[in-house]
Amino acid sequence: NAGVTQTPKFRILKIGQSMTLQCAQDMNHNYMYWYRQDPGMGLKLIYYSVGAGITDKGEVPNGYNVSRSTTEDFPLRLELAAPSQTSVYFCASRPAGVLTITYNEQFFGPGTRLTVL
Amino acid sequence: EDQVTQSPEALRLQEGESSSLNCSYTVSGLRGLFWYRQDPGKGPEFLFTLYSAGEEKEKERLKATLTKKESFLHITAPKPEDSATYLCAVQEATSYDKVIFGPGTSLSVIP
Repeated sequence: NAGVTQTPKFRILKIGQSMTLQCAQDMNHNYMYWYRQDPGMGLKLIYYSVGAGITDKGEVPNGYNVSRSTTEDFPLRLELAAPSQTSVYFCASRPAGVLTITYNEQFFGPGTRLTVL
Repeated sequence: EDQVTQSPEALRLQEGESSSLNCSYTVSGLRGLFWYRQDPGKGPEFLFTLYSAGEEKEKERLKATLTKKESFLHITAPKPEDSATYLCAVQEATSYDKVIFGPGTSLSVIP
């Protein structure tokens, strides 16, 4: 299994440009997450999905959009990039629970380092 | 407001010098507390889940403990390969889907 993969690894955008960060997982996980990590600030949740066709906002969703058409893929769209979106972006996934057991271990991708100039 | 803090922000240890990292949390109820390790330029890697006060988990030189308001990650006789950032995350009792991450502690172990 490749686990969680993210592309690209690095990207430089100009202010006002748009781009899509790709995330894919091959573990058949229901839950997928997008986080951003700024120095000294920990991971902040942008959007998450509990299954194909279902997404919800996290703590810092402004300026981003997501879609989940398949179990495997969870792309993050940046519209009109701003310098405040300079960050490292991580995608993560985890399985759903079985009966009363909840699996909370999240599997993270290697990250995308984005700079907006 | 639910919050997770970690201390110290950075810790520098000599090889073999044991110490502890702290994670303090304020949530209305705890579903679970998680420790992750993050190496530079990589995504976090899961270490432990703790569910209730008094619980302990061990893995090699690491032991995680949990009280009602905080968790400790004890590092016994650390080696340089233990150098990393250690992240704590908390899942609030009524949240099935999300966790809140702390800012992390950057650990450096000097040979």
